[in-house]
Amino acid sequence: DAGVIQSPRHEVTEMGQEVTLRCKPISGHNSLFWYRQTMMRGLELLIYFNNNVPIDDSGMPEDRFSAKMPNASFSTLKIQPSEPRDSAVYFCASSLIFSGEGGETQYFGPGTRLLVL
Amino acid sequence: DAKTTQPTSMDCAEGRAANLPCNHSTISGNEYVYWYRQIHSQGPQYIIHGLKNNETNEMASLIITEDRKSSTLILPHATLRDTAVYYCIVRVFTGGGNKLTFGTGTQLKVEL
Repeated sequence: DAGVIQSPRHEVTEMGQEVTLRCKPISGHNSLFWYRQTMMRGLELLIYFNNNVPIDDSGMPEDRFSAKMPNASFSTLKIQPSEPRDSAVYFCASSLIFSGEGGETQYFGPGTRLLVL
Repeated sequence: DAKTTQPTSMDCAEGRAANLPCNHSTISGNEYVYWYRQIHSQGPQYIIHGLKNNETNEMASLIITEDRKSSTLILPHATLRDTAVYYCIVRVFTGGGNKLTFGTGTQLKVEL
């Protein structure tokens, strides 16, 4: 399997522009997570989906951020309008919901490095 | 989920065992201990997890104290490629799609 695929890998944009980050989870996985990593705040969860349904979006910083999962093989994270403080690395992760001991393992993508000027 | 405490950084000589400690004194009976690592510029990678028994896989061993208030991740023969930030995470397993809360982790530097 190719693992979790994210695109673009790097994005440079100007303040006020719309940014769309994309994620393709591992085939067969039914949970998808969006994380953001900055030096100041570390790695923090933004939102996650189970079976394409958003379960917890309490980490989404504000209304400028939105995430969708129209089907099991694709998700987007959109920032509109973007601001310089949104500059970060955004990771997508997926897992297979598992009822056994300890639960499931999350597999992370390579991340999208976003710079908002 | 219970809070964890890890040293900020550690050094280890290549070929030697790296022992990374984690304190989780407020852990509950139904909370698991997970370890992930993040090599520079990459996404986090799962290493191992356990509840109360010691666990071993191809990457590492996890030793959990009998009272479960602390644990140690052991990389038996550290290599330069093991240089990374190691995160200890304690969380309840609630049946599916469980989120991870990452702390600041331990920066392990493996040197020649």
